[in-house]
Amino acid sequence: GEDVEQSLFLSVREGDSSVINCTYTDSSSTYLYWYKQEPGAGLQLLTYIFSNMDMKQDQRLTVLLNKKDKHLSLRIADTQTGDSAIYFCAENTGGFKTIFGAGTRLFVKA
Amino acid sequence: DADVTQTPRNRITKTGKRIMLECSQTKGHDRMYWYRQDPGLGLRLIYYSFDVKDINKGEISDGYSVSRQAQAKFSLSLESAIPNQTALYFCATSVLNRAGETQYFGPGTRLLVL
Repeated sequence: GEDVEQSLFLSVREGDSSVINCTYTDSSSTYLYWYKQEPGAGLQLLTYIFSNMDMKQDQRLTVLLNKKDKHLSLRIADTQTGDSAIYFCAENTGGFKTIFGAGTRLFVKA
Repeated sequence: DADVTQTPRNRITKTGKRIMLECSQTKGHDRMYWYRQDPGLGLRLIYYSFDVKDINKGEISDGYSVSRQAQAKFSLSLESAIPNQTALYFCATSVLNRAGETQYFGPGTRLLVL
């Protein structure tokens, strides 16, 4: 069955790196995503990775994909207070249906 | 201006009442979705629509109905609201692009059923 799991909370100090982890079950997933939800707002696509890639870097964001273990991570370098939000891992097998995890709430302490 | 808008943003209602949540989009996307968000459970799909003539149930459609009045409008109804429908409701659109299928979310409607 399809399932996406991630831890619910993460707390880091400002300036440190944050690593948010996610596991998924559908080995046929073609696209894997990280969405960000800021307080009072809907989700916004943060970054994505194709299943044939191991890593993708985009400024302060690094996405690592271990397809063998079905493990996805999001690393935020030099975490700022503005990065405080809920981060959702999601997978899509190429069709209409995107499966979301429960979200990881990131707290950044000044 | 927001591309996906939802009204109302907040709503309090009583058990047994019928209510409607509305969603409008200016993105020109054919695909639209309704999700609910509960703490610790993430997003669960209620209904989705690929175009005006296409409506499909999601994983938790019981107690809900939808209407796709136009490409730009997709409304969600709770026929007889119950307290466990208290949640944050999101409308979304999607488009196929180089990122696969990117979803665009509205700001959400916070519903409290007493």
